[in-house]
Amino acid sequence: KNQVEQSPQSLIILEGKNCTLQCNYTVSPFSNLRWYKQDTGRGPVSLTIMTFSENTKSNGRYTATLDADTKQSSLHITASQLSDSASYICVVSGRNQGGKLIFGQGTELSVKP
Amino acid sequence: DSGVTQTPKHLITATGQRVTLRCSPRSGDLSVYWYQQSLDQGLQFLIQYYNGEERAKGNILERFSAQQFPDLHSELNLSSLELGDSALYFCASSVELNSFGENNEQFFGPGTRLTVL
Repeated sequence: KNQVEQSPQSLIILEGKNCTLQCNYTVSPFSNLRWYKQDTGRGPVSLTIMTFSENTKSNGRYTATLDADTKQSSLHITASQLSDSASYICVVSGRNQGGKLIFGQGTELSVKP
Repeated sequence: DSGVTQTPKHLITATGQRVTLRCSPRSGDLSVYWYQQSLDQGLQFLIQYYNGEERAKGNILERFSAQQFPDLHSELNLSSLELGDSALYFCASSVELNSFGENNEQFFGPGTRLTVL
């Protein structure tokens, strides 16, 4: 069964600190992996999207890595800000699945002053 | 603002009723996706339409149906509503990059919060 698992489930960090979120997937054949940020009650916003040939991609203070061999990805947030408090969702797209996305449960990040 | 609009923002109804959720995709996007997000579950893919035709189907109940109109807006119809249908319903749109719609970035709307009492 195609699955996407994220860890930790929740995380509390102090403003200014760095953190890393993890994602493991079993989706095969693999097409691409995305990280989304979702503020409470709002629609997800795309942070990065990577194909199997890419192993790192940055978007400002967000850096995603992908190891297609081990089927693992991470999202590193640098110098966290209060506005980074949100749910971060790892999403995988399988090849020949059209636009169908498989979502992880998300990591709830809380940045405290 | 993603450019995807959804109406209504909130909807409160009773069990057994039928409702229609509406979505307008970003200008130029041909593909529309519907997702359900319950409190205890992550986002679940329901269905995708591309240029008026159904492209992919996920965990969509038989009580639910959708369509995409010639002007590319889409509607999700939910009937015989149950308490468990209470959720956030998101619409997303994208531009297709290949025949299977792979490697396309999806832009999400603000969602419709459905409460079934």
